[in-house]
Amino acid sequence: SAVISQKPSRDICQRGTSLTIQCQVDSQVTMMFWYRQQPGQSLTLIATANQGSEATYESGFVIDKFPISRPNLTFSTLTVSNMSPEDSSIYLCSVEGQGLTDTQYFGPGTRLTVL
Amino acid sequence: QKEVEQNSGPLSVPEGAIASLNCTYSDRGSQSFFWYRQYSGKSPELIMFIYSNGDKEDGRFTAQLNKASQYVSLLIRDSQPSDSATYLCAVSFMEYGNKLVFGAGTILRVKS
Repeated sequence: SAVISQKPSRDICQRGTSLTIQCQVDSQVTMMFWYRQQPGQSLTLIATANQGSEATYESGFVIDKFPISRPNLTFSTLTVSNMSPEDSSIYLCSVEGQGLTDTQYFGPGTRLTVL
Repeated sequence: QKEVEQNSGPLSVPEGAIASLNCTYSDRGSQSFFWYRQYSGKSPELIMFIYSNGDKEDGRFTAQLNKASQYVSLLIRDSQPSDSATYLCAVSFMEYGNKLVFGAGTILRVKS
């Protein structure tokens, strides 16, 4: 499976600021996703990052709050904008496995704390 | 009914026993079924996937799928303390464009 890295691994931010999280894959992948995992909760899909076009957002998530870039087939960024303490979560990127329909592999995650 | 449901646990089993984890799902054109293991503070790790009815074995792990009853289970034989983690069930639904929907996860504790 692909090797996925995320930066930063963790951060503590002030209310009202923004943070951009990077996701890098060691091979070209078609599908990349961004998830949020709030403390003690399961994973919630934020959006699908599409290469060459706008991301596709899930219900409850909007581009103004979570802008996403996907400049090529190995890289994506998620920005958490105008942060509040409710945004404190783990943010995970995932990629779909090559040749394995629907199978997803996760990056190590970014642990965000908003004060 | 939630799309994917799991008992949150914790499920406690003694070392060497069989741990049985269950997951039920709603009927929305389900396609594929996955089990992920997540250690505390870590990201989910894929351990099994199953597409067809029946059993699929991989080492100490067996995934069982029963589409008529809408459940998928994970058996862990010879459970080890290192198996202690949260196990997440995920299902892809045609209705959602084959994106994964995750259950809340079951906490497994293996006691030595």
